[in-house]
Amino acid sequence: AQKITQTQPGMFVQEKEAVTLDCTYDTSDQSYGLFWYKQPSSGEMIFLIYQGSYDEQNATEGRYSLNFQKARKSANLVISASQLGDSAMYFCAMRERRRGSNYKLTFGKGTLLTVNP
Amino acid sequence: NAGVMQNPRHLVRRRGQEARLRCSPMKGHSHVYWYRQLPEEGLKFMVYLQKENIIDESGMPKERFSAEFPKEGPSILRIQQVVRGDSAAYFCASSPNSGTDTGELFFGEGSRLTVL
Repeated sequence: AQKITQTQPGMFVQEKEAVTLDCTYDTSDQSYGLFWYKQPSSGEMIFLIYQGSYDEQNATEGRYSLNFQKARKSANLVISASQLGDSAMYFCAMRERRRGSNYKLTFGKGTLLTVNP
Repeated sequence: NAGVMQNPRHLVRRRGQEARLRCSPMKGHSHVYWYRQLPEEGLKFMVYLQKENIIDESGMPKERFSAEFPKEGPSILRIQQVVRGDSAAYFCASSPNSGTDTGELFFGEGSRLTVL
């Protein structure tokens, strides 16, 4: 069963507008972490934001915020005031805390975001 | 303040040749992870190593692939007798400990292998 689902293969947004990238996950663990990474066309993986399953507040990092809805098992990324440089592939990932695998990240298939001028 | 360093960035091999990918973790990091990204896919875990130890290689193909992280020098991912299906981006990541904290993994820029 797929553990991380990103249902939007591609998204378009107008410059300066906000955009939400969807991510749902599946785990039976109570303790886990959720990550978002950005992969521009140059290929590197850039860490954006992290949310722990026990964190009560949604994580924020500058223009990035994570809309964490634990009961729905969703961890959507919100990018405010989009910029042309935000055009990239975005990956949602989860790290479960179970013994023996608490170091592994499981990635979704990604969403390609295009910001239009 | 160097990050995770991978080389080569791009590697072209013919079928049957060997590919060696190197990864130097961030300073102070003793845990290394290799991930593979096939075209149009997310990253998939391959192997987790500490110095001189393979902790988990459950994501490695059973044949032709091996990894090491010697006491001195970079971690190396070796692919013997490459086939076209090995064409992918191979990412190395490092962390200061085993991941029981809440921090992210620090990724290198990846090595892109093309098999002709």
